[in-house]
Amino acid sequence: AQSVTQLGSHVSVSEGALVLLRCNYSSSVPPYLFWYVQYPNQGLQLLLKYTSAATLVKGINGFEAEFKKSETSFHLTKPSAHMSDAAEYFCAVSDRQAGTALIFGKGTTLSVSS
Amino acid sequence: NAGVTQTPKFQVLKTGQSMTLQCAQDMNHNSMYWYRQDPGMGLRLIYYSASEGTTDKGEVPNGYNVSRLNKREFSLRLESAAPSQTSVYFCASSEQTGLNQPQHFGDGTRLSIL
Repeated sequence: AQSVTQLGSHVSVSEGALVLLRCNYSSSVPPYLFWYVQYPNQGLQLLLKYTSAATLVKGINGFEAEFKKSETSFHLTKPSAHMSDAAEYFCAVSDRQAGTALIFGKGTTLSVSS
Repeated sequence: NAGVTQTPKFQVLKTGQSMTLQCAQDMNHNSMYWYRQDPGMGLRLIYYSASEGTTDKGEVPNGYNVSRLNKREFSLRLESAAPSQTSVYFCASSEQTGLNQPQHFGDGTRLSIL
């Protein structure tokens, strides 16, 4: 069965610092991977997706993620954190057994301090 | 520019009561989904509808029923609410079947069962 694991339920950075949110996947076939962001009291918004066209994927708001098959990872990064980046971030993989439904990680809350 | 609209936004029920959560999308998407979000658990799939006229169970379907009323609308019903169903419920849609299709989320329904 496919799954994703997000390492660290909470990450704290200073404004201007590098953001690194970790995601590892488990899949016996090439996966389709996504990162979503959730701001307080809102739904999830797509940041970026990996669909095998390129291993480095650029998303919205300056975020990017690199697919590393050898490490089964899809970590999310941003060179310089902004206060507005504070939110919860979810890594997800397409569930091949449930149409196009997504299997989500448990989420990582990003806090940004000034 | 509504996207996915969920009603109501908040609801408090007593154990044993029933209610229906409504979801409508205006993007002409074929596939729709219901997830629940619980602290530290990420999002888990309850039911999905790959296309109009079809519905299938997800990871946590017990205690719920769904209806794909037409292409736009996908409702979730709790027949006899239980405290364990206290959660935030999200409806999502995607354009078509396909593992690389991103999902668009509503803002959620916050449901408390007393």
